[in-house]
Amino acid sequence: DAGVIQSPRHEVTEMGQEVTLRCKPISGHDYLFWYRQTMMRGLELLIYFNNNVPIDDSGMPEDRFSAKMPNASFSTLKIQPSEPRDSAVYFCASSTEGGSSVYGYTFGSGTRLTVV
Amino acid sequence: GESVGLHLPTLSVQEGDNSIINCAYSNSASDYFIWYKQESGKGPQFIIDIRSNMDKRQGQRVTVLLNKTVKHLSLQIAATQPGDSAVYFCAENFFSGGYQKVTFGIGTKLQVIP
Repeated sequence: DAGVIQSPRHEVTEMGQEVTLRCKPISGHDYLFWYRQTMMRGLELLIYFNNNVPIDDSGMPEDRFSAKMPNASFSTLKIQPSEPRDSAVYFCASSTEGGSSVYGYTFGSGTRLTVV
Repeated sequence: GESVGLHLPTLSVQEGDNSIINCAYSNSASDYFIWYKQESGKGPQFIIDIRSNMDKRQGQRVTVLLNKTVKHLSLQIAATQPGDSAVYFCAENFFSGGYQKVTFGIGTKLQVIP
């Protein structure tokens, strides 16, 4: 298994532009999570899905952020318009159902986003 | 950009010595705890976990201790190796508002001195 696959690995964009981050979870995992990591706040959960349905989006910072999971093998996190304070590493993770959302948690390698 | 950032606690250990990384968690209702290792440029990687009804669990070269009385978690690494150099995070799982929540600590940077 190739693990959780994220693209792109690095993204540099200008303020105001739309940014789309992509994630392919591990096949058979029915939970998918989007995290943001910064030096200021550490790892923050933005949103998670179960069986492609958003369950908890209380961590999404504002309306500029949106996430979708159109099918079991693909999810996107979109920022529109992007701002310099969105600069961070964005991680996608997936897991299997097992009584807790953290069982079998596997992270991707992350997308490093820089907004200038 | 950010002008102020977290200064990660750093633990420097001689190669071959044992390492102990500590973590204080916040929610007494947390039922599950995990340690992750994050190497530079990579995502966090699961190391070992422990349920709240246990106080010790051992893996290969690693041991996690849980003290619920003081809400403290520790990760012990035996015979630390250069490949153990990374940032280590603890995470706690609990229910809040009908959802399962996972909160990560800020991390501890482990530097192994050859």
